[in-house]
Amino acid sequence: AQSVTQPDIHITVSEGASLELRCNYSYGATPYLFWYVQSPGQGLQLLLKYFSGDTLVQGIKGFEAEFKRSQSSFNLRKPSVHWSDAAEYFCAVEHAGKSTFGDGTTLTVKP
Amino acid sequence: NAGVTQTPKFQVLKTGQSMTLQCAQDMNHNSMYWYRQDPGMGLRLIYYSASEGTTDKGEVPNGYNVSRLNKREFSLRLESAAPSQTSVYFCASSESRGLGGYTFGSGTRLTVV
Repeated sequence: AQSVTQPDIHITVSEGASLELRCNYSYGATPYLFWYVQSPGQGLQLLLKYFSGDTLVQGIKGFEAEFKRSQSSFNLRKPSVHWSDAAEYFCAVEHAGKSTFGDGTTLTVKP
Repeated sequence: NAGVTQTPKFQVLKTGQSMTLQCAQDMNHNSMYWYRQDPGMGLRLIYYSASEGTTDKGEVPNGYNVSRLNKREFSLRLESAAPSQTSVYFCASSESRGLGGYTFGSGTRLTVV
């Protein structure tokens, strides 16, 4: 069965610092990969997605993610974090019509 | 704005009461989903509808029923609410099952007392 692991439950970074959120998946083939963001009291919003091709994908709000097949990873990055980026971030995989979400990483941004 | 609309946003039920959560999307998406989100358990799929006229069970279907009323609307019904169904419920849609990612509604916070 496919699975998604987000190793970091909670991350704190200073405003202006860089950010990397980790995501590892377990599946034999390359699934479709997604990152979502959830602000308090809101639904999830799609940040970016990877289906095939260029392994570095750009998303909204200045986020990017890199797919590394050898490491079964799809880590989310942002060069300079803003206070408004404080939220919960979910990695998700989709294969054969079935979606699996990670348990999420909560990002706190220090002023 | 285009998107997924859920009603109500908040609801308190007594054990044994019934209710229907409504969801509508205006993006002409084929597939629709109901998830519940609980602390420490992530998002769990309750039911989904791959296309109009079809519905299938997800990971945690017990205690729920769904209706795909038309292409736009997908409702979730709790026939006899239990405290274990206290959760935040999200409806989502996608062009077709799995492709392009999901668009989520803003959620319904349900408390069963």
